[in-house]
Amino acid sequence: DAGVIQSPRHEVTEMGQEVTLRCKPISGHDYLFWYRQTMMRGLELLIYFNNNVPIDDSGMPEDRFSAKMPNASFSTLKIQPSEPRDSAVYFCASSFGEGTEAFFGQGTRLTVV
Amino acid sequence: AQTVTQSQPEMSVQEAETVTLSCTYDTSENNYYLFWYKQPPSRQMILVIRQEAYKQQNATENRFSVNFQKAAKSFSLKISDSQLGDTAMYFCASNRDDKIIFGKGTRLHILP
Repeated sequence: DAGVIQSPRHEVTEMGQEVTLRCKPISGHDYLFWYRQTMMRGLELLIYFNNNVPIDDSGMPEDRFSAKMPNASFSTLKIQPSEPRDSAVYFCASSFGEGTEAFFGQGTRLTVV
Repeated sequence: AQTVTQSQPEMSVQEAETVTLSCTYDTSENNYYLFWYKQPPSRQMILVIRQEAYKQQNATENRFSVNFQKAAKSFSLKISDSQLGDTAMYFCASNRDDKIIFGKGTRLHILP
């Protein structure tokens, strides 16, 4: 398996633009997580899915953020409109659940100018 | 609420020394799981070690071991014979009800 695949690796966009981050989890994993990493706040859990259903989105910072998982092999995190304070590294991770570890993608470094 | 606290933002040790990274967590559950992840400059998140709360024996993986104190809700990571390649951010994490929460990390520098 190729592991968790995220795209793009880097994204630079202007304030106000829509940004879509993509993730392909490891095949067979039931859980998918979206995290945001910043110097100030560390790794924050934004939202996670179980069997394509959002379970907990309490970490999503604002209504500008939305996430979907239309099928077991694909998820998106969308920011609309983007703001400079959204600049961070966004990670997608997947797991089998039940105490197993999360496997992470390489992350997307987002810069909003 | 589930919280994980790492009280050491940054540490430096000489190569070959032993270093201990601290982590405390807060959960009201009896069954949960704890992890240490390493994030080198490449940004990749790598699992270092895993501990199941119902197991009293401390987990070990080669030069990495944990000191799990369940009553104190403490989960520290010990790195023996530290190597230059151990330079990285280290994150402590807990998994309860399949929700994985991370601490803010400790930046570890191994000095030659």
